[in-house]
Amino acid sequence: AQSVAQPEDQVNVAEGNPLTVKCTYSVSGNPYLFWYVQYPNRGLQFLLKYITGDNLVKGSYGFEAEFNKSQTSFHLKKPSALVSDSALYFCAVRDFVAGSYQLTFGKGTKLSVIP
Amino acid sequence: DSGVTQTPKHLITATGQRVTLRCSPRSGDLSVYWYQQSLDQGLQFLIQYYNGEERAKGNILERFSAQQFPDLHSELNLSSLELGDSALYFCASSGDGEGAEAFFGQGTRLTVV
Repeated sequence: AQSVAQPEDQVNVAEGNPLTVKCTYSVSGNPYLFWYVQYPNRGLQFLLKYITGDNLVKGSYGFEAEFNKSQTSFHLKKPSALVSDSALYFCAVRDFVAGSYQLTFGKGTKLSVIP
Repeated sequence: DSGVTQTPKHLITATGQRVTLRCSPRSGDLSVYWYQQSLDQGLQFLIQYYNGEERAKGNILERFSAQQFPDLHSELNLSSLELGDSALYFCASSGDGEGAEAFFGQGTRLTVV
C-alpha cells in the first residue's frame, strides 16, 4: 500500500529565509506526488504536483518541490518565506490500488514564518 | 473557488443524533472522496466513490455511510453521533487521469454536544 511520511510536525523559519518542508513516500508503481496547503478554517488548496519529467516542479505562490527517486522524497521549498506562507502543508501520493486511484495524505506539517 | 461545494458549512447537533453532509463535485469529476480532519488524528480518509460506485474504504466507522447519486453529488451520513465525531469533514473530487489532482470543498464543521 502507498504511504506518505512528513517527519516534522512543525517547521519554524524567519521571514525572508528559505524554507523546506520534508516528505518521503512509498508506492508500488510510478509515483504521482502532490503538495497541498491549508489555511485556518479552510479547505485544502492544491499547490503543485509531480507526474513525470523534470525533478524540480514549480507551483503556486512561488513554491517548488524537488523529486528525488533514489531517496523517495518530494520536499517542498521556497527561496524566501513570507509571513503569509504560515499554514498547514500536506504531502500526498496518488496510486492505483484495487481498481481505482486513491489519494493518501501525510499527517501535515505546520509552517510558521516568523516576522 | 475549487468548484467543490459542501453544505452545510457548520452543524451543531446532540449526541445520538443523525446528520447528512452533502457534496457537489467539480463539473465532470466522477471521483468523490470524503475525509475527516480532527486535531489529534490529522486528515483521515473515509471513503471514495467513482461514478456512483464505492471504490475504496478507509477508516470509516460502521455508524457512518455514504453514497453517490446519478447526478454525481454525494452524501455522508453520520448516525448515533458521539462527542468524538466532532471534526471537519471534507469532500474532494478529481478527474480520471492518473496524475489528476483532487480539489477540496471548504468543509463542514460538525460539533456534537
